[in-house]
Amino acid sequence: EDKVVQSPLSLVVHEGDTVTLNCSYEVTNFRSLLWYKQEKKAPTFLFMLTSSGIEKKSGRLSSILDKKELFSILNITATQTGDSAVYLCAVASGSARQLTFGSGTQLTVLP
Amino acid sequence: KAGVTQTPRYLIKTRGQQVTLSCSPISGHRSVSWYQQTPGQGLQFLFEYFSETQRNKGNFPGRFSGRQFSNSRSEMNVSTLELGDSALYLCASSLAPSAPLGVNEQFFGPGTRLTVL
Repeated sequence: EDKVVQSPLSLVVHEGDTVTLNCSYEVTNFRSLLWYKQEKKAPTFLFMLTSSGIEKKSGRLSSILDKKELFSILNITATQTGDSAVYLCAVASGSARQLTFGSGTQLTVLP
Repeated sequence: KAGVTQTPRYLIKTRGQQVTLSCSPISGHRSVSWYQQTPGQGLQFLFEYFSETQRNKGNFPGRFSGRQFSNSRSEMNVSTLELGDSALYLCASSLAPSAPLGVNEQFFGPGTRLTVL
């Protein structure tokens, strides 16, 4: 059975801090790993990673995948209160349209 | 381009009833997946439809079913509702499988919040 584990489950930081969120996985026929941000509604797409060692970057957020060690990290630098959300990691396997999600990391950024 | 739309946004039902939820994918997207999100279990895959055929199914009982129409719109149905079916039901759309690698990410709709009393 495919498995995605995220850590930590929750994190409280102050504005300006840098955070690293972790995602490890065990899946059959890995296709890609995706990061989503979920505030009060539906998850919004952040990154999709398919190749090992290539960093994806968008503003203060960046992510990298290690296919040998089966994990990914999501970094957020200079955090802001608007970064407060649940960050979800999902792995696409098999047909690539079925996603297995981790339980998420609840990030709270205090002013 | 309009995003994924889901109706209704909120629904209250009682145990034993049945419910139908609707999802319209992004224009041009032909694959629709359904997920159930609860505080205890997180996001769990229900099923996926492409070209009016169910392609993948998650580990849910037969009370959960779905279908897809020729215009790619999809419905899911839950019969004989149980209290534990209370959840946010999310629909996600993506391009057809022949799309180049790198564009098969799924885009989520706002969800339908189902409460079973």
